[in-house]
Amino acid sequence: LAKTTQPISMDSYEGQEVNITCSHNNIATNDYITWYQQFPSQGPRFIIQGYKTKVTNEVASLFIPADRKSSTLSLPRVSLSDTAVYYCLVGETYGGSQGNLIFGKGTKLSVKP
Amino acid sequence: DSGVTQTPKHLITATGQRVTLRCSPRSGDLSVYWYQQSLDQGLQFLIQYYNGEERAKGNILERFSAQQFPDLHSELNLSSLELGDSALYFCASSVGTTTDTQYFGPGTRLTVL
Repeated sequence: LAKTTQPISMDSYEGQEVNITCSHNNIATNDYITWYQQFPSQGPRFIIQGYKTKVTNEVASLFIPADRKSSTLSLPRVSLSDTAVYYCLVGETYGGSQGNLIFGKGTKLSVKP
Repeated sequence: DSGVTQTPKHLITATGQRVTLRCSPRSGDLSVYWYQQSLDQGLQFLIQYYNGEERAKGNILERFSAQQFPDLHSELNLSSLELGDSALYFCASSVGTTTDTQYFGPGTRLTVL
């Protein structure tokens, strides 16, 4: 059963790059990794998803090493509006079917001016 | 606005009671997911339905049940409520299953007194 671990909090300044790492030592071969962002009193919002290597979209990059036991969400040039909680999610799959969805405890990112 | 609606927004009830939370997925989405978010446990996946059928189960208690109706809306039933059931309950929807992006609703805040 996959378990995820992420730092509880991180601080950054506007314009910096922020990297948040999630450990998932027991990830299985077909499990996928997704990152979500959550603002207070709102539901989580999808950021990025991947299986391995590197994935990039218009808001973030996701780095997954070959052993897939961790993943790193990279936010380029953060702004004050990026202050939020970031969750990594490991989605277990069994023979192509959906299994359990394991969220990390979340990393509270505080961006300062 | 994710396109996922949840009612009610807030619910206050007493221990031992039963409540029903309702979720309407985004137009065209066939999957509905239910999550519980509390301060000490973080985001916990409860259950997923796809086109009316249960597809995956997480940490859902036996006192909790859910169903998805032919019009694809879903209801989460919580019975014999305990103080520890106080939490935010989120519904999410996706087009299909497995790796599809989930869109979260605004949540229902349940308070058990």
